[in-house]
Amino acid sequence: NAGVMQNPRHLVRRRGQEARLRCSPMKGHSHVYWYRQLPEEGLKFMVYLQKENIIDESGMPKERFSAEFPKEGPSILRIQQVVRGDSAAYFCASSPPGGRQPQHFGDGTRLSIL
Amino acid sequence: GDSVTQMEGPVTLSEEAFLTINCTYTATGYPSLFWYVQYPGEGLQLLLKATKADDKGSNKGFEATYRKETTSFHLEKGSVQVSDSAVYFCALSDPKNGGATNKLIFGTGTLLAVQP
Repeated sequence: NAGVMQNPRHLVRRRGQEARLRCSPMKGHSHVYWYRQLPEEGLKFMVYLQKENIIDESGMPKERFSAEFPKEGPSILRIQQVVRGDSAAYFCASSPPGGRQPQHFGDGTRLSIL
Repeated sequence: GDSVTQMEGPVTLSEEAFLTINCTYTATGYPSLFWYVQYPGEGLQLLLKATKADDKGSNKGFEATYRKETTSFHLEKGSVQVSDSAVYFCALSDPKNGGATNKLIFGTGTLLAVQP
């Protein structure tokens, strides 16, 4: 009964490189959410996806960030040309379909930019 | 817009003390309310939830009651243990537009440190 799986747990990139973060939702969950946690802060919503569709990306920065949830495979959060300010913990959560379902979180990917 | 405000930490208690972490919210609709707990180096775990006014969520000795009149969802536990030391987040979900989005809006978190 695997939970939400995120990888890698830790990712180090140099400024200007690309970062790819992966998230496999819990079995039976078709909704995926990405959140970012900056140091000493709470979590901020970034994007909400269902299979092959972006439903709400109101929390995504306008540039360099993108997300997908293909028909097969994990959800990917992609950050191009990373900058120091992208250093944070990125959490993925999933939920089953239907309204007001609680979200289950992965252990996060801690991204460090050198 | 919707928001969550929770008491700042850290909260330091002795084992077996009574715990209250205050949480108030602002929402335009009829939100569901949640408490999540985060242990060091881990993701968030759902602690308890309430989906409508006067509901009481409870789990592992923790409880919180959805108070619409005071827009509050305070977390309480009668007797804390060292193992309860963690960061606690209050959150709301306020589906709008026919449930098109179910994003969580979090408070800033409250660090609880329980000493033996």
